[in-house]
This record gives sequence, C-alpha cells and structure tokens, in this order.
Amino acid sequence: QAVLTQPASLSASPGASARLTCTLRSDINVGTYRIFWYQQKPGSPPQYLLRYKSDSDNQRGSGVPSRFSGSKDASANAAILLIYGVQSGDEADYYCVIWHNSAYVFGSGTKVTVL
Amino acid sequence: QVQLQESGPGLVKPSQTLSLTCTVSGGSISTGSHYWSWIRQPAGKGLEWIGRIYNSGSTDYNASLKSRVTISVDMSRNQFSLRLSSVTAADTAVYYCAREYPGYDFLTGYYFYIDVWGRGTTVTVSS
Repeated sequence: QAVLTQPASLSASPGASARLTCTLRSDINVGTYRIFWYQQKPGSPPQYLLRYKSDSDNQRGSGVPSRFSGSKDASANAAILLIYGVQSGDEADYYCVIWHNSAYVFGSGTKVTVL
Repeated sequence: QVQLQESGPGLVKPSQTLSLTCTVSGGSISTGSHYWSWIRQPAGKGLEWIGRIYNSGSTDYNASLKSRVTISVDMSRNQFSLRLSSVTAADTAVYYCAREYPGYDFLTGYYFYIDVWGRGTTVTVSS
C-alpha cells in the first residue's frame, strides 16, 4: 500500500469548490504529520502552495491566494486541499508530500480539470 | 530571490553514471540554514525525491536509490551535484534541483520544506 494515496483526477466547474484528498497509509497517523501541497502545471516545475499540520499551524506560500487552504479529516486519516472559487488557471496536477522515515514521500498526484 | 539551474548531459548510456549540477544564484549555499534537494519525474508520472545535502555536507537519500546516489556540494562555486550510477531506462526523467526552507515547530523543533525549484533538465538513458 502506498504511503500517500491521491485520486488520479478531479473535475470542478468554474466558481465551485474543489476538495482534494491525500490519504495516509493506515499505519501512519495524519495527526502527527505536517502536510505540504504543491501545484504543477504542464511543462513547469511544481510550485509550493501551503503546509498544514493543524488549524493553528499552517501557512500558505508567498503569493498563494487565500482560495487555497488545507485541513485534515482525522476519521479518514487524510489531508485535504480545498480550492474555493475554482478558476481555469487552477487546472494542474496537485501533489501532497510528507517527511516520513527521513525522506520526502510524494503522493501520486491529482489532476484537476476545470470544466 | 534565489534561483536554481540544472545542467548536465541530456543523454546517458545504460550502466553509466548520470551527473548533474545545480547552480544557485541570488543566495549562497554556504550561509543560511537550507537543505538542497534533487527530485525527478518520469514523463507523465509523479515526483520522486532522490536526496538532499546540507551545507555541512550531511546527506539524506531515498532508501530505494541510496546504493546508487551521491550528492555533493561545492560552496566555492555555489553549486551542488547529483551522481546516479548504473543507470537504466527507468532512470529517464526530468531532474529538478530544489531548495528546502526551514520552519520551526516549538514542540518538535526544526522542519524543512521544498520552497524553490529549478526549471528541470531532461535526462534520457539510452544507447
């Protein structure tokens, strides 16, 4: 089982909200991890979006709109990236990342399509 | 504003060693509390962290690649480098260098996260 599991794709309408999930393997407790999120558009390197550990310990990257926010669903052992008011420019791949066993582990990525 | 630029051969033969260099501009590798990382991405696939180095020379490597990877730093040139030995077609990818920025958690201490990426360089392994 992968350490981090992300759905392969997600579609959203302009102006709607998109909820991207990153599920941690069952033996890893999401509550103890700081989750990092990255956005990658075709032909470009990933861009840092935000980090989230808790409601009191989280921060967006410089210049990242407040439409992007992080959270956790402890019951699902998952990290969440919320995109409010989805725009066409949000079409991209989104990756979650954790530092686990002295290494960065990337999720497989979710491709967000804005229809 | 720190910038990173990867350089090196775009084509490597199977069983040979892949060598890439990352040149850092707009900041010094030797000062500040940063790790410097290498990440790769096969075409159409996800990201894989390869390893990192601190300016002290301390390194961490992905366990799956550790036996083939060496990351080094040349502070006089403000560069850090990646060597990956015994390459196969599975090592064909876009290779990114990146900077890690420190944060502080008063409960657990310092942590790092990748905040700046190079543009990436494509390396193909083929005879």
